[in-house]
Amino acid sequence: RKEVEQDPGPFNVPEGATVAFNCTYSNSASQSFFWYRQDCRKEPKLLMSVYSSGNEDGRFTAQLNRASQYISLLIRDSKLSDSATYLCVVNPGGQNFVFGPGTRLSVLP
Amino acid sequence: DVKVTQSSRYLVKRTGEKVFLECVQDMDHENMFWYRQDPGLGLRLIYFSYDVKMKEKGDIPEGYSVSREKKERFSLILESASTNQTSMYLCASSLNRGRGNTIYFGEGSWLTVV
Repeated sequence: RKEVEQDPGPFNVPEGATVAFNCTYSNSASQSFFWYRQDCRKEPKLLMSVYSSGNEDGRFTAQLNRASQYISLLIRDSKLSDSATYLCVVNPGGQNFVFGPGTRLSVLP
Repeated sequence: DVKVTQSSRYLVKRTGEKVFLECVQDMDHENMFWYRQDPGLGLRLIYFSYDVKMKEKGDIPEGYSVSREKKERFSLILESASTNQTSMYLCASSLNRGRGNTIYFGEGSWLTVV
């Protein structure tokens, strides 16, 4: 089993749709969790950290379920500019980070 | 804002050449990383460093070496480039503060080995 797994995608959704991505991790001792966004041929950029209580940033909501070891990202009212690959990132403790393979989202006009 | 700078954005090298990829960060981060990213394979860690002159192998260190002589600079070296090292290389840095630290990336270096 891979350390971090994500919905394979791609997700093709119309503008204005709500879309949710899931991510599971295998190391129950993992301490920090993040969602990164990566545009085509660009570097990954931090979208949001994920906190135990769940957190929201505008149209984006992240949830963490430690018992089931999964993380989710919900995007409401999708925009064309949301088209990108979304990476789930886990810090299993220590100084390293484990990246999921990414889920590609295409928002269609 | 955190700035991670990769000085060489696009390189074309010949098989067997020695290649240096330089990375500098300006936020006094302790940790620095080199990844490569290939279609369908995601991000794979080559090496990381948590202090000056310290280095740790990542998942795919073969064919690579690194150097960290100063805190702000982390270099990736391909001793003898091969065509299977054609890839996008990403440098990153993070604070060494345990829980809650985040990782910041440079813009990437696109290397083609012919």
